[in-house]
Amino acid sequence: AQSVTQPDIHITVSEGASLELRCNYSYGATPYLFWYVQSPGQGLQLLLKYFSGDTLVQGIKGFEAEFKRSQSSFNLRKPSVHWSDAAEYFCAVARGFNNNDMRFGAGTRLTVKP
Amino acid sequence: DAGVIQSPRHEVTEMGQEVTLRCKPISGHNSLFWYRQTMMRGLELLIYFNNNVPIDDSGMPEDRFSAKMPNASFSTLKIQPSEPRDSAVYFCASNPTVNSPLHFGNGTRLTVT
Repeated sequence: AQSVTQPDIHITVSEGASLELRCNYSYGATPYLFWYVQSPGQGLQLLLKYFSGDTLVQGIKGFEAEFKRSQSSFNLRKPSVHWSDAAEYFCAVARGFNNNDMRFGAGTRLTVKP
Repeated sequence: DAGVIQSPRHEVTEMGQEVTLRCKPISGHNSLFWYRQTMMRGLELLIYFNNNVPIDDSGMPEDRFSAKMPNASFSTLKIQPSEPRDSAVYFCASNPTVNSPLHFGNGTRLTVT
């Protein structure tokens, strides 16, 4: 079965600083990859997705992620963090090929310092 | 588009009682998912349906849990009898096609005392 690892449980960055959240997956073929964000008391919202093609994908709120097959990674980045970005971030993987089974990483909680 | 609608938002019950969580997916979405979120275990997939048919229920923790989807616009997750360790936030999500992004409801926070 596929799995998703987010090595960082909690990250703190200063407002205006750059951000990178790590995500690694284990799956033989190229999976479908997603990043979601969760604000307190709410459900998850999609930030961006990768299915195929260009390995650098752009999402909402200024986020981007890069798929690196050689490293089995799909790290999320943002050049300049805003205080409103403080939330929990989840990486997710679906097996693709007509399989709707979607699994989530444990999440990374982002704190933004003023 | 009203989004995925879950009810109730909060549920507090005593151990041994039956609990029913409800979900209305987005109209036109063919798949529905139930997830459970806890601090210890993160976001776990319990079960998902394609076209109202349960496809994978391997994540359902035990026989006390059951899920149904009698039609395309409604699903329930039932716990009978409930136990304190079932306390968690339960999310319902739907997507229009296989492997498309999920749309999540706001969750039901369940507390079993």
